[in-house]
Amino acid sequence: AQSVSQHNHHVILSEAASLELGCNYSYGGTVNLFWYVQYPGQHLQLLLKYFSGDPLVKGIKGFEAEFIKSKFSFNLRKPSVQWSDTAEYFCAATNTGFQKLVFGTGTRLLVSP
Amino acid sequence: GAGVSQSPSNKVTEKGKDVELRCDPISGHTALYWYRQSLGQGLEFLIYFQGNSAPDKSGLPSDRFSAERTGGSVSTLTIQRTQQEDSAVYLCASSNQGYEQYFGPGTRLTVT
Repeated sequence: AQSVSQHNHHVILSEAASLELGCNYSYGGTVNLFWYVQYPGQHLQLLLKYFSGDPLVKGIKGFEAEFIKSKFSFNLRKPSVQWSDTAEYFCAATNTGFQKLVFGTGTRLLVSP
Repeated sequence: GAGVSQSPSNKVTEKGKDVELRCDPISGHTALYWYRQSLGQGLEFLIYFQGNSAPDKSGLPSDRFSAERTGGSVSTLTIQRTQQEDSAVYLCASSNQGYEQYFGPGTRLTVT
């Protein structure tokens, strides 16, 4: 069955620390991968996406993710977090085309100033 | 341009009542999705519509849930005889040509 797993449920960091959130997927066929963010009181927003090509994907606000096919992983990284990055982060996957997103359980990130 | 809009933003209803939740997708987007976000279950797919094709209803949790999309645009999610376990945030998303989905702000449903 298609699934997405996120290993870290809660992460607490100080400002300027580096961030890496893990995401693994279990999918057959060609997979599209996404990271969404939900800031407190706001709706889901797309951070970045991978469809094909360069496995290192850069998104908004200094975030990037690397698609490693051999590890079925799509980890999210940011070299230096800010207080404003406090949010919940969701990894998601879908097969190509108009398909449903399967989400991971989310990671709550708290950045202390 | 305008994003995905949903109404109402909050809905409180008594157990056993029917509710209708509305979604207005981004103009021109051919695909529309409904998801549910709840504490115990995370983000779950419910149903999606693509153009004139038959909808994928594989995520609907019971036959109390139904959805329609009129004129290829606005969609309504209906929950009949609501139960307390239906309490959640119901999210709508739309996409175009199979690319990323854009989410609305959601409707928070509370069943008392």
